[in-house]
Order: sequence, then C-alpha cells, then structure tokens
Amino acid sequence: ELKVEQNPLFLSMQEGKNYTIYCNYSTTSDRLYWYRQDPGKSLESLFVLLSNGAVKQEGRLMASLDTKARLSTLHITAAVHDLSATYFCAVLASGTYKYIFGTGTRLKVLA
Amino acid sequence: DAGVTQSPTHLIKTRGQQVTLRCSPKSGHDTVSWYQQALGQGPQFIFQYYEEEERQRGNFPDRFSGHQFPNYSSELNVNALLLGDSALYLCASSLGGRRSDEQFFGPGTRLTVL
Repeated sequence: ELKVEQNPLFLSMQEGKNYTIYCNYSTTSDRLYWYRQDPGKSLESLFVLLSNGAVKQEGRLMASLDTKARLSTLHITAAVHDLSATYFCAVLASGTYKYIFGTGTRLKVLA
Repeated sequence: DAGVTQSPTHLIKTRGQQVTLRCSPKSGHDTVSWYQQALGQGPQFIFQYYEEEERQRGNFPDRFSGHQFPNYSSELNVNALLLGDSALYLCASSLGGRRSDEQFFGPGTRLTVL
C-alpha cells in the first residue's frame, strides 16, 4: 500500500534562513500536492505537481517533483514568521482516486 | 464565488450514537471527497463521491457511509460512534473529469465523541 513520509516532522528555524522539507512516497504516482494548514483551520492548497521534473514557485516557497526517486521537496527561502504552519504533501495513488497524505511537517519560524 | 462549506462546525455525541455531516462543494465542482483528521495527524481518505456514487473508498469500516445528491452536495454518516471517531472531518471538492485536478477543502466539522 502507498505510504507517504515527510521529514522532518518538526522544524524550528530563524527568520531569513533557508530550509527544505522532504516528501517520500513508496509506490508509483505522478500526482503530488502540497498543502498548508494553520492551527485549528482547514487545508490550503499550495502546489499541484503533475509530472516528473515539475517545479513551481510562489513567493518564498518552491516545490519540485522527481517521480523516479519518488521524492518531492518544498524549499523555503528566507523564511518569515507568517510561514509558520503545518505543511502536508499528498500523493494520488496511481490508477485510483485515493489521496494519501504525509505525516505533516510542523514549521515554526522564530523572529 | 462560494467555496466549500460544511455543517455543523462542531458536534458532540456519545458512544453508540449516529451522526450526519454535510458538505456543499465549491461552485462548479461535481466531486466530493471526505477525510478524517485526528489531532496531530494528516488527513485520512474516507471516500470520494462522483455522479452520486461512491467512486473510491479508503480503509474505513462500513460504519462510515455517504451520499451525494443531484446538486453535488454530500453527506457523511457515521454509525455506532466510538471514542476513536473523535476528529476533524474535512470535505474537499474538485472536478471529477480529471484525476489530477486540485482539491479545495472546507473548514471542517469537529466531532467529539464522549
């Protein structure tokens, strides 16, 4: 069964620093999604990655997908406090309509 | 443009009771998926409805059932509630024609089972 793992689970970083969150998945998939969730809130869609080598950027966040390595990364550039949230990746299992979410990365940006 | 709406916002039930949660999809969307998110965990896929039928199901027992109406709104029913059913229940809508389309999530219903 498809499993999705994220690391790190927790990340505390200072403002202005760069960091990367990793999302590994266990079986074939060519559809990967990144979401943000603030405490007590719902999920906000950040990126949809649909093909190998896809790269998308929005503000200080950049996501990429390597389907051969079964790996996606979410890179944070020059972090600011407003980026503090939990970030989830989700994979659409091949041949199905079933979305599998990762464990989440709880990011805290310190001023 | 109305986004995904869910009702109620919060709900408290006791073990053994039954509950119905409701979801209205984003305007123009025809597919509804339901998720269970326990505290500190990622969302777990329950099932997806398209054209008024359950198109895909996750690893949830038959106590979890659903329905989709002709206007694309959906209900999630949970019977014989257990303490472990306490969670945030999220509804997401999308366009069903393509597998890859982006999902938009509603605000969720917080269910507490005592």
